[in-house]
Amino acid sequence: KQEVTQIPAALSVPEGENLVLNCSFTDSAIYNLQWFRQDPGKGLTSLLLIQSSQREQTSGRLNASLDKSSGRSTLYIAASQPGDSATYLCAVKGVGDYKLSFGAGTTVTVRA
Amino acid sequence: GAVVSQHPSWVICKSGTSVKIECRSLDFQATTMFWYRQFPKQSLMLMATSNEGSKATYEQGVEKDKFLINHASLTLSTLTVTSAHPEDSSFYICSARATATDTQYFGPGTRLTVL
Repeated sequence: KQEVTQIPAALSVPEGENLVLNCSFTDSAIYNLQWFRQDPGKGLTSLLLIQSSQREQTSGRLNASLDKSSGRSTLYIAASQPGDSATYLCAVKGVGDYKLSFGAGTTVTVRA
Repeated sequence: GAVVSQHPSWVICKSGTSVKIECRSLDFQATTMFWYRQFPKQSLMLMATSNEGSKATYEQGVEKDKFLINHASLTLSTLTVTSAHPEDSSFYICSARATATDTQYFGPGTRLTVL
């Protein structure tokens, strides 16, 4: 069974600092990995999706890397803003499987 | 982009009553939808996979008689929490898998509070 772990569970930084969020998974036989943002009491917004054959994906201030062999992904958020405050979830999709396995998330607070 | 809606967005009910939550894919067809449950400060836990025109597949530990799932069309799946109790209070989120792109899109969630 795929286990997804996110460290740290919570993070508080001053505005302008870069954020580094970590995700690890136990089974490297993945189809893709996805990062989501969740605001309190809301659903999920997809941020980046990395296919298993890719090493990274970028969108604006966001960059996600994937090292499948070591079972790790990192989400970088450059020049953080108070509006980046949210919970960030990573999810892994297995090969030949429709299901997503989620980590518990990292709750980020960016202080103005 | 693809949109998934859920209705209601929140519901409060008395213990012992049943509650139905709808999940709709608004602009794409979804042969497969998923139902998740999320407790405060915890991650999403998959409850069941809903397949259009067939029975849902439940994850281990999820009572199928408690959480009834119906996927009668390519754009609608419903989750009915039967004889709800306070421990069923949670945030329920659905997702719909777009058949054409094999991508999951998530609904905004439904907050259920059972008194």
